[in-house]
Amino acid sequence: AQRVTQPEKLLSVFKGAPVELKCNYSYSGSPELFWYVQYSRQRLQLLLRHISRESIKGFTADLNKGETSFHLKKPFAQEEDSAMYYCALLTGGGNKLTFGTGTQLKVEL
Amino acid sequence: EPEVTQTPSHQVTQMGQEVILRCVPISNHLYFYWYRQILGQKVEFLVSFYNNEISEKSEIFDDQFSVERPDGSNFTLKIRSTKLEDSAMYFCASSERTVEQYFGPGTRLTVT
Repeated sequence: AQRVTQPEKLLSVFKGAPVELKCNYSYSGSPELFWYVQYSRQRLQLLLRHISRESIKGFTADLNKGETSFHLKKPFAQEEDSAMYYCALLTGGGNKLTFGTGTQLKVEL
Repeated sequence: EPEVTQTPSHQVTQMGQEVILRCVPISNHLYFYWYRQILGQKVEFLVSFYNNEISEKSEIFDDQFSVERPDGSNFTLKIRSTKLEDSAMYFCASSERTVEQYFGPGTRLTVT
């Protein structure tokens, strides 16, 4: 069965420090992975999709099939990055997202 | 920018009552989904819907649950006889193709 693991419930960094939010997955098929972000009292928003290999708001994520990881990184954290971040795996022929438990990122001044 | 909308934002109901949660997906989207998040837990898939049929459902989505697209714009989730453990945030999502899903703001369901 597929699974997404985000080991950290809370990650606290100082403004300007690098950020890495960890995500590991378990899936027998070809993985398609996403990062979603949820700012305070807002909806889940798509942040990144591994296939597009783009940088959004300074965030990047690389799929490492050998380590079954899809960590989210940003070189310099900003206060506005404080939010809940969810890693998600698309399965079921594209019908179903399996989410991790989420990591709350807190950027302190 | 078009967004998925959900009503109501908060619904309180008594155990055993039926509830209908409503969603208006993005207009040109063809795939629709329901997820839920029990407080303090992760977002869980309930059901996906395409071409007026359920495409996939989870083990959570038992006979008490049903989905419907009653007209060209709404997508509903019905819980026939609510239980205390149905209390959760319910998210609707839609996608143009089976890839990028766009989420609504959620409906908080409280069963007393």
